[in-house]
Amino acid sequence: AAGVIQSPRHLIKEKRETATLKCYPIPRHDTVYWYQQGPGQDPQFLISFYEKMQSDKGSIPDRFSAQQFSDYHSELNMSSLELGDSALYFCASRPLNWLAGENEQYFGPGTRLTVT
Amino acid sequence: AQSVTQLDSHVSVSEGTPVLLRCNYSSSYSPSLFWYVQHPNKGLQLLLKYTSAATLVKGINGFEAEFKKSETSFHLTKPSAHMSDAAEYFCVVSGNFGNEKLTFGTGTRLTIIP
Repeated sequence: AAGVIQSPRHLIKEKRETATLKCYPIPRHDTVYWYQQGPGQDPQFLISFYEKMQSDKGSIPDRFSAQQFSDYHSELNMSSLELGDSALYFCASRPLNWLAGENEQYFGPGTRLTVT
Repeated sequence: AQSVTQLDSHVSVSEGTPVLLRCNYSSSYSPSLFWYVQHPNKGLQLLLKYTSAATLVKGINGFEAEFKKSETSFHLTKPSAHMSDAAEYFCVVSGNFGNEKLTFGTGTRLTIIP
Protein backbone atom coordinates (compact mmCIF):
# COMPACT_ATOMS: atom_id res chain seq x y z
CA ALA A 1 0.00 0.00 0.00
CA ALA A 2 1.14 3.53 -0.73
CA GLY A 3 2.44 5.53 2.19
CA VAL A 4 3.17 9.15 2.94
CA ILE A 5 6.34 10.28 1.21
CA GLN A 6 8.61 12.95 2.61
CA SER A 7 11.64 14.49 1.02
CA PRO A 8 14.39 14.96 1.69
CA ARG A 9 14.93 12.38 4.44
CA HIS A 10 17.92 14.23 5.82
CA LEU A 11 18.86 17.87 5.52
CA ILE A 12 21.78 19.80 6.91
CA LYS A 13 21.63 23.59 6.90
CA GLU A 14 23.55 26.40 8.50
CA LYS A 15 22.06 29.06 10.76
CA ARG A 16 20.09 31.74 8.93
CA GLU A 17 19.66 29.56 5.86
CA THR A 18 16.35 28.46 4.37
CA ALA A 19 14.93 24.95 4.08
CA THR A 20 11.98 23.48 2.21
CA LEU A 21 10.45 20.16 3.26
CA LYS A 22 8.05 18.31 1.00
CA CYS A 23 5.22 15.93 1.79
CA TYR A 24 3.23 13.73 -0.58
CA PRO A 25 0.12 12.31 1.11
CA ILE A 26 -1.41 8.93 0.51
CA PRO A 27 -3.58 9.02 -2.65
CA ARG A 28 -7.15 10.23 -1.95
CA HIS A 29 -6.13 11.76 1.38
CA ASP A 30 -7.13 15.41 1.36
CA THR A 31 -5.76 16.60 4.70
CA VAL A 32 -2.11 17.08 5.61
CA TYR A 33 -0.61 17.75 9.04
CA TRP A 34 2.92 18.82 9.98
CA TYR A 35 4.54 17.92 13.30
CA GLN A 36 7.92 18.73 14.82
CA GLN A 37 9.71 16.27 17.12
CA GLY A 38 12.73 17.62 18.96
CA PRO A 39 15.38 15.28 20.40
CA GLY A 40 13.81 13.13 23.11
CA GLN A 41 10.50 14.97 22.78
CA ASP A 42 7.02 14.04 21.71
CA PRO A 43 5.77 15.36 18.37
CA GLN A 44 4.22 18.83 18.44
CA PHE A 45 1.59 19.97 15.95
CA LEU A 46 2.65 22.79 13.65
CA ILE A 47 0.00 23.32 10.99
CA SER A 48 -2.60 21.51 8.89
CA PHE A 49 -4.31 21.88 5.53
CA TYR A 50 -7.66 20.64 4.27
CA GLU A 51 -8.49 20.93 0.59
CA LYS A 52 -5.57 23.31 0.06
CA MET A 53 -6.71 25.70 2.79
CA GLN A 54 -5.04 26.10 6.17
CA SER A 55 -7.32 24.37 8.65
CA ASP A 56 -5.48 24.69 11.96
CA LYS A 57 -2.32 26.21 13.35
CA GLY A 58 -0.24 25.19 16.31
CA SER A 59 3.01 26.44 17.74
CA ILE A 60 4.59 27.26 14.39
CA PRO A 61 7.13 30.08 14.36
CA ASP A 62 6.46 33.07 12.14
CA ARG A 63 9.67 32.14 10.28
CA PHE A 64 7.89 29.04 9.01
CA SER A 65 5.22 28.94 6.35
CA ALA A 66 3.45 26.12 4.57
CA GLN A 67 0.99 25.46 1.82
CA GLN A 68 -0.89 22.66 0.14
CA PHE A 69 -0.96 22.46 -3.64
CA SER A 70 -3.61 21.36 -6.13
CA ASP A 71 -2.21 17.81 -6.18
CA TYR A 72 -2.52 17.80 -2.35
CA HIS A 73 1.20 17.68 -1.70
CA SER A 74 2.42 20.12 0.91
CA GLU A 75 5.60 22.08 1.51
CA LEU A 76 6.95 23.49 4.75
CA ASN A 77 9.23 26.48 4.23
CA MET A 78 11.57 27.42 7.03
CA SER A 79 13.60 30.63 6.92
CA SER A 80 16.29 32.17 9.14
CA LEU A 81 17.02 28.77 10.57
CA GLU A 82 18.11 28.55 14.18
CA LEU A 83 19.96 25.81 16.04
CA GLY A 84 16.74 25.04 17.91
CA ASP A 85 15.00 24.13 14.67
CA SER A 86 17.02 20.91 14.53
CA ALA A 87 14.39 18.21 14.79
CA LEU A 88 12.53 15.45 13.03
CA TYR A 89 9.68 16.89 10.95
CA PHE A 90 6.79 14.59 10.27
CA CYS A 91 4.03 14.93 7.77
CA ALA A 92 0.79 12.97 8.22
CA SER A 93 -2.24 12.55 6.02
CA ARG A 94 -5.81 11.58 6.80
CA PRO A 95 -8.45 9.77 4.74
CA LEU A 96 -11.40 11.55 3.18
CA ASN A 97 -14.01 9.60 5.19
CA TRP A 98 -13.63 11.41 8.49
CA LEU A 99 -17.35 11.22 9.22
CA ALA A 100 -17.24 7.47 8.65
CA GLY A 101 -14.82 7.17 11.51
CA GLU A 102 -11.66 7.06 9.43
CA ASN A 103 -9.92 9.83 11.34
CA GLU A 104 -6.54 8.25 11.91
CA GLN A 105 -3.47 10.01 10.61
CA TYR A 106 -0.81 8.15 8.71
CA PHE A 107 2.72 9.41 9.18
CA GLY A 108 5.57 9.67 6.77
CA PRO A 109 9.11 8.60 7.70
CA GLY A 110 10.07 12.16 8.60
CA THR A 111 12.74 14.62 7.53
CA ARG A 112 15.63 14.98 9.93
CA LEU A 113 16.79 18.60 9.85
CA THR A 114 20.12 19.48 11.38
CA VAL A 115 21.02 23.14 11.72
CA THR A 116 24.71 23.85 12.33
CA ALA B 1 -8.80 21.31 25.16
CA GLN B 2 -7.68 17.71 25.24
CA SER B 3 -4.58 16.10 26.71
CA VAL B 4 -3.12 12.73 27.58
CA THR B 5 -0.83 11.69 30.39
CA GLN B 6 1.39 8.66 30.10
CA LEU B 7 2.05 7.49 33.60
CA ASP B 8 5.37 5.74 32.99
CA SER B 9 8.27 7.17 31.06
CA HIS B 10 10.03 3.80 30.97
CA VAL B 11 8.74 0.23 31.29
CA SER B 12 10.89 -2.91 31.30
CA VAL B 13 9.45 -6.41 30.95
CA SER B 14 10.92 -9.81 30.27
CA GLU B 15 10.32 -11.45 26.93
CA GLY B 16 7.16 -13.55 27.04
CA THR B 17 5.58 -11.64 29.93
CA PRO B 18 2.61 -9.23 29.71
CA VAL B 19 2.99 -5.59 28.76
CA LEU B 20 0.97 -2.75 30.31
CA LEU B 21 1.49 0.85 29.21
CA ARG B 22 -0.74 3.31 31.04
CA CYS B 23 -2.47 6.38 29.64
CA ASN B 24 -5.04 8.74 31.08
CA TYR B 25 -6.85 11.30 28.97
CA SER B 26 -8.61 14.58 29.53
CA SER B 27 -11.21 15.84 27.09
CA SER B 28 -14.30 17.98 27.25
CA TYR B 29 -16.04 15.78 24.68
CA SER B 30 -15.96 12.20 23.49
CA PRO B 31 -12.38 11.79 22.35
CA SER B 32 -10.68 9.83 19.63
CA LEU B 33 -7.72 8.03 21.14
CA PHE B 34 -4.79 6.32 19.50
CA TRP B 35 -1.63 4.47 20.31
CA TYR B 36 1.35 5.00 18.01
CA VAL B 37 4.70 3.21 18.14
CA GLN B 38 8.06 4.65 17.11
CA HIS B 39 11.06 2.40 16.68
CA PRO B 40 14.50 4.03 16.92
CA ASN B 41 15.13 6.45 14.08
CA LYS B 42 11.85 5.45 12.46
CA GLY B 43 8.50 7.08 11.79
CA LEU B 44 5.28 6.75 13.73
CA GLN B 45 3.14 3.69 13.15
CA LEU B 46 -0.51 3.44 14.20
CA LEU B 47 -1.09 0.52 16.58
CA LEU B 48 -4.79 1.00 17.23
CA LYS B 49 -7.52 3.58 17.62
CA TYR B 50 -10.67 4.18 19.67
CA THR B 51 -13.53 6.15 18.17
CA SER B 52 -16.50 5.10 20.35
CA ALA B 53 -17.48 2.01 18.35
CA ALA B 54 -16.19 -0.48 20.94
CA THR B 55 -14.44 -0.01 24.25
CA LEU B 56 -11.99 -2.88 23.71
CA VAL B 57 -9.88 -2.17 20.70
CA LYS B 58 -7.59 -4.68 19.03
CA GLY B 59 -4.59 -3.48 17.09
CA ILE B 60 -1.65 -4.82 15.22
CA ASN B 61 1.07 -7.13 16.56
CA GLY B 62 -1.16 -8.49 19.33
CA PHE B 63 -1.70 -5.19 21.12
CA GLU B 64 -5.05 -4.10 22.48
CA ALA B 65 -6.39 -1.23 24.56
CA GLU B 66 -9.51 -0.70 26.65
CA PHE B 67 -11.31 2.61 26.85
CA LYS B 68 -12.67 3.22 30.36
CA LYS B 69 -14.66 6.41 30.57
CA SER B 70 -15.18 6.15 34.33
CA GLU B 71 -11.42 6.06 34.83
CA THR B 72 -10.55 8.30 31.84
CA SER B 73 -8.01 5.69 30.86
CA PHE B 74 -6.85 4.02 27.66
CA HIS B 75 -4.17 1.56 28.72
CA LEU B 76 -2.26 -0.49 26.14
CA THR B 77 -1.67 -4.18 26.79
CA LYS B 78 -0.11 -7.22 25.17
CA PRO B 79 -0.24 -10.73 26.64
CA SER B 80 3.30 -11.72 25.74
CA ALA B 81 6.15 -9.35 24.94
CA HIS B 82 8.48 -9.95 22.03
CA MET B 83 11.94 -8.53 21.54
CA SER B 84 10.70 -6.62 18.49
CA ASP B 85 8.26 -4.69 20.72
CA ALA B 86 11.10 -2.60 22.12
CA ALA B 87 10.27 0.96 21.06
CA GLU B 88 8.75 4.27 22.16
CA TYR B 89 4.97 4.23 22.54
CA PHE B 90 2.81 7.34 22.37
CA CYS B 91 -0.73 7.71 23.61
CA VAL B 92 -2.47 10.30 21.45
CA VAL B 93 -5.77 12.19 21.54
CA SER B 94 -7.55 13.93 18.70
CA GLY B 95 -10.31 16.46 18.81
CA ASN B 96 -13.55 16.46 16.91
CA PHE B 97 -14.19 17.66 13.38
CA GLY B 98 -12.49 21.00 12.84
CA ASN B 99 -9.94 20.30 15.55
CA GLU B 100 -8.33 17.06 14.51
CA LYS B 101 -4.74 17.84 15.34
CA LEU B 102 -3.10 15.13 17.41
CA THR B 103 -1.90 15.82 20.93
CA PHE B 104 0.78 13.37 22.03
CA GLY B 105 1.66 12.09 25.44
CA THR B 106 5.28 12.28 26.51
CA GLY B 107 5.88 8.69 25.49
CA THR B 108 6.79 5.45 27.24
CA ARG B 109 9.98 3.68 26.33
CA LEU B 110 9.44 -0.08 26.40
CA THR B 111 12.48 -2.25 27.01
CA ILE B 112 12.31 -6.02 26.59
CA ILE B 113 14.66 -8.09 28.71
CA PRO B 114 15.84 -11.31 27.00
